[in-house]
Amino acid sequence: GAGVSQSPRYKVAKRGQDVALRCDPISGHVSLFWYQQALGQGPEFLTYFQNEAQLDKSGLPSDRFFAERPEGSVSTLKIQRTQQEDSAVYLCASSLDIDRGSSYEQYFGPGTRLTVT
Amino acid sequence: EDQVTQSPEALRLQEGESSSLNCSYTVSGLRGLFWYRQDPGKGPEFLFTLYSAGEEKEKERLKATLTKKESFLHITAPKPEDSATYLCAVLKWDNDMRFGAGTRLTVKP
Repeated sequence: GAGVSQSPRYKVAKRGQDVALRCDPISGHVSLFWYQQALGQGPEFLTYFQNEAQLDKSGLPSDRFFAERPEGSVSTLKIQRTQQEDSAVYLCASSLDIDRGSSYEQYFGPGTRLTVT
Repeated sequence: EDQVTQSPEALRLQEGESSSLNCSYTVSGLRGLFWYRQDPGKGPEFLFTLYSAGEEKEKERLKATLTKKESFLHITAPKPEDSATYLCAVLKWDNDMRFGAGTRLTVKP
């Protein structure tokens, strides 16, 4: 079946521009996660949703970062007034239901590589 | 402080030369430990979940094991197509997921 998809795959933004990154999770997956991955590092948690509820946003690096999932399916990560330090790969993952069941594995999309110039 | 440390950072093997990757962790309230494979320019691909000390899982040339302080990913007779970065991650009961920095594996023919 279809996996997690993300768009765009690459985004170049000028410093100060706003960007929006989209994630389409696996159909029926309740839990959705956003991560930031710097070159040569493991993914770092940003935020997660259960359906449309954003339950943890402790990893968002500043108030310029904002995520939403209004209908409990597609999610958008928005970064306002981008800075050079925002350059990274942004990964989205979905999980059947992190709070229930006996398996919690997360399935990742291909990521969006953001370059801020 | 919760930490996930992977070693070595990079590993070069000859085809057929078996080895192990290490993931040591200090977290309070481990819910599960995950291994992922990541190829350049792609998202991490799920390999295994381990839930309790003593558990083992296998898939083709890979075997993952778990103790109370660390996990090992054993690679038996690796092939060049096993070259990738292998990531370890721990999930806590508060749903906090922490990744290690990964081990870059290169298998030469």
